[in-house]
Amino acid sequence: SQQGEEDPQALSIQEGENATMNCSYKTSINNLQWYRQNSGRGLVHLILIRSNEREKHSGRLRVTLDTSKKSSSLLITASRAADTASYFCATDANPGGSNYKLTFGKGTLLTVNP
Amino acid sequence: EPEVTQTPSHQVTQMGQEVILRCVPISNHLYFYWYRQILGQKVEFLVSFYNNEISEKSEIFDDQFSVERPDGSNFTLKIRSTKLEDSAMYFCASKLQTGFEAFFGQGTRLTVV
Repeated sequence: SQQGEEDPQALSIQEGENATMNCSYKTSINNLQWYRQNSGRGLVHLILIRSNEREKHSGRLRVTLDTSKKSSSLLITASRAADTASYFCATDANPGGSNYKLTFGKGTLLTVNP
Repeated sequence: EPEVTQTPSHQVTQMGQEVILRCVPISNHLYFYWYRQILGQKVEFLVSFYNNEISEKSEIFDDQFSVERPDGSNFTLKIRSTKLEDSAMYFCASKLQTGFEAFFGQGTRLTVV
């Protein structure tokens, strides 16, 4: 089974618009994280939401988590051209400690047109 | 701001050759990881390392792969005999003992020809 599937696979919007990306997962999780990757670059941690949280904000980012539906969404408000990147959700399903590891989805490629 | 650094940024190697990818994790972090991303695909977990030993490894991490923390700062991934399908971006990550955020390096792009 696939853990952490994002949709849409690609999203193209105009600067100033909001961008919403979704992520679904299969197993129970401890937390869910969103990462950004600029083309050919490293992964940058954006935000983490714990399994007992429903919504979290950080600047222009808003993340929701629905554990009953095993889904999360990432909203980027007032998008900018610099937000153009791939966005990945990653789940942590392990009890923590030395067994911690992240399972990534395939990502959503966001293009923000100036 | 502290960051995970990886070298080299790009390595081209011939099939069958050994490669060593190097990482310097953030200094007070205790958990270390290697992930890889084949072009256009998911980021996949390879191995986690804690207290000088492997904590967990994936099916991908077969006998051709090994990790080492040779000194107090470096964390290396060795591929003994590279195959074409090892071509990927390899990411190192590290984490504090507490908390859930892993910090990733910029990656090493490995091209096997």
